[in-house]
Amino acid sequence: EVQLLQSGGGLVQPGGSLRLSCAASGFTFSDYAMTWVRQAPGKGLEWVSTISSNSRNTNYADSVKGRFTISRDNSKNTLYLQMNSLRAEDTAVYYCAKGLGEISPYYFDYWAQGTLVTVSS
Amino acid sequence: EIFMTQSPATLSVSPGEGATLSCRASQSVRSNLAWYQQKPGQAPRLLIYGASTRATFIPARFSGSGSGTEFTLTISSLQSEDFAVYYCQQYYNWPPATFGQGTKVEIK
Repeated sequence: EVQLLQSGGGLVQPGGSLRLSCAASGFTFSDYAMTWVRQAPGKGLEWVSTISSNSRNTNYADSVKGRFTISRDNSKNTLYLQMNSLRAEDTAVYYCAKGLGEISPYYFDYWAQGTLVTVSS
Repeated sequence: EIFMTQSPATLSVSPGEGATLSCRASQSVRSNLAWYQQKPGQAPRLLIYGASTRATFIPARFSGSGSGTEFTLTISSLQSEDFAVYYCQQYYNWPPATFGQGTKVEIK
C-alpha cells in the first residue's frame, strides 16, 4: 500500500524558515518524480515544486523561486521542502504528491495528508 | 502557462441526480487532463486521468470526456459521499502543473 506521511509545518514568523518532510513507502520511491502542492485557506490547489527521481531536475513556481528548495533522499525514501523567507501569502496546507514519471510528474496518483504552515507574527 | 477554467463554481444537486462539471483549457492540452475530488479536511484524490480513464477503485458513476480545450466530468447519480470540490489539472505543458479553481458540488 502506497503511503505518504508528512511532518513539519506549524507557525512561523514572517521572514522565518521551516522544513517539511514527506516519508514514502509502498512503492519504489527512487523511480518517481515527487511534488509539493499547496492550498491557501479556502482556496484552490497550487503547484509549488517538483523534483525528478534522481534529483537532477527541480522546478519551482515563480511565487516561491529563490526562497524554497526541494530535495529528496532516496536512501531514506523521503522528500523535503526547505522554505525560507516565508511570507504571509505562503500560509497554506502543503501536500506532497507522487507523480507518474521520472522527470515530469504528469498527474498525481497519491497524496499525503497535508500539513498546515501558518506565517504570522 | 496554460490556464484552466472550471464552471460552474458551485453546483447544487439532489442525491440521485446527475451532475456535469466543465473544465476549459486556455490552449489545447490534447488528452492530458486529470480530475480530482477533495472533501473538507482531506487531501485530493485522483478520479480520472488521460481525460477519460478512471483511476483505481473509482466507481463507474464517474466518467470523463473531452480533448483539446474542453473537458467534462460527469457523475451519473450522486451519492452522499460525492458532495465535494472537484478540480481539473492539465499536464500537457509542464512546468507548471496547473489546476482549475474548482467546482463545489453541494446538496440541493
